[in-house]
Parts: sequence; C-alpha cells; structure tokens
Amino acid sequence: DIQMTQSPSSLSASVGDRVTITCRASQTISSYLNWYQQKPGKAPKVLIYAASSLKSGVPSRFTGSGSGTDFTLTISSLQPEDFATYYCQQTYSAPCSFGQGTKLEIK
Amino acid sequence: EVQLLESGGGLVQPGGSLRLSCAASGFSLSDYAMTWVRQAPGKGLGWVSGISRSGDDTFYADSVKGRFTISRDNSKNTLYLQMNSLRAEDTAVFYCARGGLTVARGAFDIWGQGTMVTVSS
Repeated sequence: DIQMTQSPSSLSASVGDRVTITCRASQTISSYLNWYQQKPGKAPKVLIYAASSLKSGVPSRFTGSGSGTDFTLTISSLQPEDFATYYCQQTYSAPCSFGQGTKLEIK
Repeated sequence: EVQLLESGGGLVQPGGSLRLSCAASGFSLSDYAMTWVRQAPGKGLGWVSGISRSGDDTFYADSVKGRFTISRDNSKNTLYLQMNSLRAEDTAVFYCARGGLTVARGAFDIWGQGTMVTVSS
C-alpha cells in the first residue's frame, strides 16, 4: 500500500500570507494526487486534482504542483475562509490513501 | 442538484452489524466508481472501500477486510456498506464519495454529509 506523508501537521499564518503544504508518497504515483479542504463538521471538498488541475469554482490563489513522489499545495494570499484542514490523497492505486492532514490556523 | 445522502448510522454494540446506505441524486450512479471514507472523532480521513461502476470489482482497507462489504444497486441509484463484527475503533463519521471512471485514478468530487457510527457497549 502507498503511504502519504504531509508536512507540516499544523501551521499558523496570517491573512495575506503565502503558505505551502507538502505531501510525499512512499512510491511514485505519477500525477495521481488530489488536495482537499475540510472545515469543522463538514465533508471534504476537492480543490486540486491530478496534482495541478484546479477544480472549477475554486479560487485561483490555490495552486498544486509536483509529480512522482513529491507534491505541494500553495495558497498565494490567505483569506479568512481558508483556515481549515487540508489533506492530500493518492488515487494511483487502491487503497486510495490520504495524508494525515495539515491544520491551518490563524496566527 | 447533484448530491449524496447517507443513512443507517447509529449506536451499535461491539461485535454487532450495521448497513449504511448512500442515495445518489442528480446523476446516474452507474457512471461512477464509488467509495466510502471514514473519519474517527478528531482524526484524519481514512479510505475504507471502493467499488467499480458495475460492482464487479471491490477494494478494501486492510483494517476492514473480511468484516465490511461494499455493494451497489445502480437501478436504485444507491451505494451500500455492510459492516459486521464492529469494533470500538470503527467509531467514525462515514462518508460516501463519488470517484471517477475507476476506483482509483479519479478525485472524489461529490461527498455526502456523513453518517455517524458509534461502536460502544
């Protein structure tokens, strides 16, 4: 099974900051990497699919990059609504594992 | 409106069984692979099980293999998860999610609101 490791586990930042979250796969997954945002008490929402494709309706301040085993999610200018938990997920092969999550908090 | 609605959660004793349902509306379930994902209280997301569009291929996390069974009835536009031999560590919110053409290779673009399963005596 493929293991996904995210870093950091938590992050404090301010509105307007640029933040980057990284995700590493235990083996190559090509570009089969997705990023989700989850707010408390809500279901996750996909932001980025296939490593770098922005889901329709998601603000352009979210960008994804990477391929193979190393990936990043960047938020260019944090907005108040971006404070949430972010998860990466590989869909290269089942089981389609998630990273452990990165909780983004207001500084 | 495209949506998924889970039901069937509740309180069950260790060793007991529950069947979760996920009703799809606004799209044809048969066009998509489907998945169950769970989230224990205060914890991260955990992939549980996936099923192909036809239902011929099923996949399970090691932690539930042999205890959980995923199935679908495309004529009813409904996905199921039969959970047997439940353990305290199965306590979680269970989400159904829509995948792509296959179990892997597609992001989960539509999620239900979740149904809570509590395993406790």
